[in-house]
Amino acid sequence: QQQVKQSPQSLIVQKGGISIINCAYENTAFDYFPWYQQFPGKGPALLIAIRPDVSEKKEGRFTISFNKSAKQFSLHIMDSQPGDSATYFCAASMGGSYIPTFGRGTSLIVHP
Amino acid sequence: EAQVTQNPRYLITVTGKKLTVTCSQNMNHEYMSWYRQDPGLGLRQIYYSMNVEVTDKGDVPEGYKVSRKEKRNFPLILESPSPNQTSLYFCASSLGSNYNEQFFGPGTRLTVL
Repeated sequence: QQQVKQSPQSLIVQKGGISIINCAYENTAFDYFPWYQQFPGKGPALLIAIRPDVSEKKEGRFTISFNKSAKQFSLHIMDSQPGDSATYFCAASMGGSYIPTFGRGTSLIVHP
Repeated sequence: EAQVTQNPRYLITVTGKKLTVTCSQNMNHEYMSWYRQDPGLGLRQIYYSMNVEVTDKGDVPEGYKVSRKEKRNFPLILESPSPNQTSLYFCASSLGSNYNEQFFGPGTRLTVL
């Protein structure tokens, strides 16, 4: 059973558009929600993360929106650029646990 | 430069031939872990280690072994590889549990024939 469901599996956006990737989780004990970005041939790297005490976190063009009651969180990439083309993973974990659960990933392609 | 290194980066082997993938970090991190990445399945944790001589199973530990004799090294051992272990493997490290950023290595692509 998937504890973190990520959608869509793939996404194509035009340059300058908004990319939106969604994740839903089951376990209400999760309290840390990071997003990782992975370029081809590289390992994932932390992009941005949020704790459930806030509903939104913004870093540059990247924003996480968090809806605790719906058990959903999403990544918004504003003014998407071809350099943003990568695979994005959402993840969730709970305090004291070192077993993060990853979503299955979203392959984002931004056309110039 | 702070980094996680893995060797080899690419490996083709045959069923049953024991192999080891090495992982080393130079950031004095306590936590280290191994993941496998498969198309459509995302990242799945194989094993993790909270400190020297402390290891525990992740979600998909069958067919794998690990050891943590030194803080900086966390090798992944496949005693008798099988074709279903063909995958892309990542080692990761972090300062502590949960809220700390995980730093991933560059990956090892393993093919078992």
